[in-house]
Amino acid sequence: GNSVTQMEGPVTLSEEAFLTINCTYTATGYPSLFWYVQYPGEGLQLLLKATKADDKGSNKGFEATYRKETTSFHLEKGSVQVSDSAVYFCALVRDTGNQFYFGTGTSLTVIP
Amino acid sequence: DAGVTQSPTHLIKTRGQQVTLRCSPKSGHDTVSWYQQALGQGPQFIFQYYEEEERQRGNFPDRFSGHQFPNYSSELNVNALLLGDSALYLCASSLGGRLNGYTFGSGTRLTVV
Repeated sequence: GNSVTQMEGPVTLSEEAFLTINCTYTATGYPSLFWYVQYPGEGLQLLLKATKADDKGSNKGFEATYRKETTSFHLEKGSVQVSDSAVYFCALVRDTGNQFYFGTGTSLTVIP
Repeated sequence: DAGVTQSPTHLIKTRGQQVTLRCSPKSGHDTVSWYQQALGQGPQFIFQYYEEEERQRGNFPDRFSGHQFPNYSSELNVNALLLGDSALYLCASSLGGRLNGYTFGSGTRLTVV
């Protein structure tokens, strides 16, 4: 089946620390991969995406590379800010479908 | 340009009751998808509507039904509510089902007591 596994949280970092949130997936075919962010009381916002192997998605200092050999799409940021505190979701869509499969989310808290 | 609008924002219902949630898609979008997000979990796909028809459905019982109107807005109906239906219900809109253009609403928080 199709599934996404994220590292469990919560994650607490000091401001300007390096962030990695691990994400691995299981899917048939050639899925597209996404990272969404959810701030308290809000819906999901698309952070970045990659549609084929070796693609790198990037936005607002966040990056993730689609690694087909390791079925991974880890999220990284070199220097986090307090405003990055949120829940981050990794998701996939199969190449033949139009529904998202989400991970369980990773809560990030950045302290000054 | 308004994004996806959901109403109500919060709702409390009694077990066994029925509930209707509403969604207005982003301007220019014609496809609406519904997701259920239980506390501490990722969103789970319920179904997708396009051209007023249910195009795809996730693993949810028939108690969950929907409708799409000619103006592309949509309703999610849940009958015979269970305590386990308590969740954040998210609506997402897109154009022609294209995933790159998905926009999520802020959701409706349903509490079943």
